Amino acid sequence: DAKTTQPPSMDCAEGRAANLPCNHSTISGNEYVYWYRQIHSQGPQYIIHGLKNNETNEMASLIITEDRKSSTLTLPHATLRDTAVYYCIVRPRSGNTGKLIFGQGTTLQVKP
Amino acid sequence: GAVVSQHPSWVICKSGTSVKIECRSLDFQATTMFWYRQFPKQSLMLMATSNEGSKATYEQGVEKDKFLINHASLTLSTLTVTSAHPEDSSFYICSAPRDTNQPQHFGDGTRLSIL
Repeated sequence: DAKTTQPPSMDCAEGRAANLPCNHSTISGNEYVYWYRQIHSQGPQYIIHGLKNNETNEMASLIITEDRKSSTLTLPHATLRDTAVYYCIVRPRSGNTGKLIFGQGTTLQVKP
Repeated sequence: GAVVSQHPSWVICKSGTSVKIECRSLDFQATTMFWYRQFPKQSLMLMATSNEGSKATYEQGVEKDKFLINHASLTLSTLTVTSAHPEDSSFYICSAPRDTNQPQHFGDGTRLSIL
């Protein structure tokens, strides 16, 4: 079973920041938070991951709360091409089989 | 560019035939690969873990005799859907990590339609 809870859908205006929340209240100390997205009819694309510190890369920023029970993925300037299903997943970074268990994700619709 | 390649990208077959799907890691060796299935408007469901040189590990409820997995080399895993029927029609996706400390890379999926 997925260990995360996400809103089923969100809208965002093109050019504005898209903030996608994720609850992971049962996260354990060795589990990382990973974000992937899936554009229609394609395989998932890795976005970012983090343990407890905020992370930023060329695609997005990830803010994890101090108690690590929730996080927010931010796309700073959403474009129409960012319309996709966004998945928040928790798992250990290493030391296990590495399998990812996907929940239902958030469908982000970026509108002109 | 893509680091995990799937072939074919789509296939249409008659009921009762077997279909083989290939998953290749393009510029790295993958001792482990993963196979997922996705039905329309649903999330990805992990089917099995493909292990190079040993038997695949199947998730609960996935028939190992129905979905044959072979990981004969460090860059190739194959999924064969045997005696496929219309209910096997789905989007099949593979993934592989460069190593256990790296995020997984996914292929672009194979859309299978059984008539």
